[in-house]
Amino acid sequence: RKEVEQDPGPFNVPEGATVAFNCTYSNSASQSFFWYRQDCRKEPKLLMSVYSSGNEDGRFTAQLNRASQYISLLIRDSKLSDSATYLCVVNPGNQGGKLIFGQGTELSVKP
Amino acid sequence: DADVTQTPRNRITKTGKRIMLECSQTKGHDRMYWYRQDPGLGLRLIYYSFDVKDINKGEISDGYSVSRQAQAKFSLSLESAIPNQTALYFCATSRQMNTEAFFGQGTRLTVV
Repeated sequence: RKEVEQDPGPFNVPEGATVAFNCTYSNSASQSFFWYRQDCRKEPKLLMSVYSSGNEDGRFTAQLNRASQYISLLIRDSKLSDSATYLCVVNPGNQGGKLIFGQGTELSVKP
Repeated sequence: DADVTQTPRNRITKTGKRIMLECSQTKGHDRMYWYRQDPGLGLRLIYYSFDVKDINKGEISDGYSVSRQAQAKFSLSLESAIPNQTALYFCATSRQMNTEAFFGQGTRLTVV
């Protein structure tokens, strides 16, 4: 089983749609969680950190469920510019601080 | 200017050649990482370093070596390149254990 798993997609949605991505992780000791965005063959960039209480940044909401070991990202009112690959990232906590990446979920927002 | 800079950005090399990828950062972070990205496999950790001269293997270190002689620099070497090392390579830094990582712009390496 992979340490971090995501549905690779692609998710094809119309502009204005709400879309949700889920990610599961295997290490229950994991301490910190992030969503990154990666545009085609460019470097990943931090979209948002994920906190136990859940957090929101504009149209983006991240949730963490420690009991079930999954993380979610909700995007409301999708824009064409949201088209990218979204990477779920976990810090296992007991491996010296290195980050483990999911394979990414591809989102394509259409007019 | 980018905070994390990788050179070269693109490289084509022949099988058996030695090649070095360079990474430098101006963020003042102690922790540095090398990842490779292949289609469908996501980013996989090659090596990481938490301080000068500290070297740790990641999940796919075979065929690679690294050097960390200064806080700001972390170089990745392929001693004898092979075609299945064709990939997109990223260097990253982080400030401390539970914080996010910042990436360089990537090096596209092709081994023919």
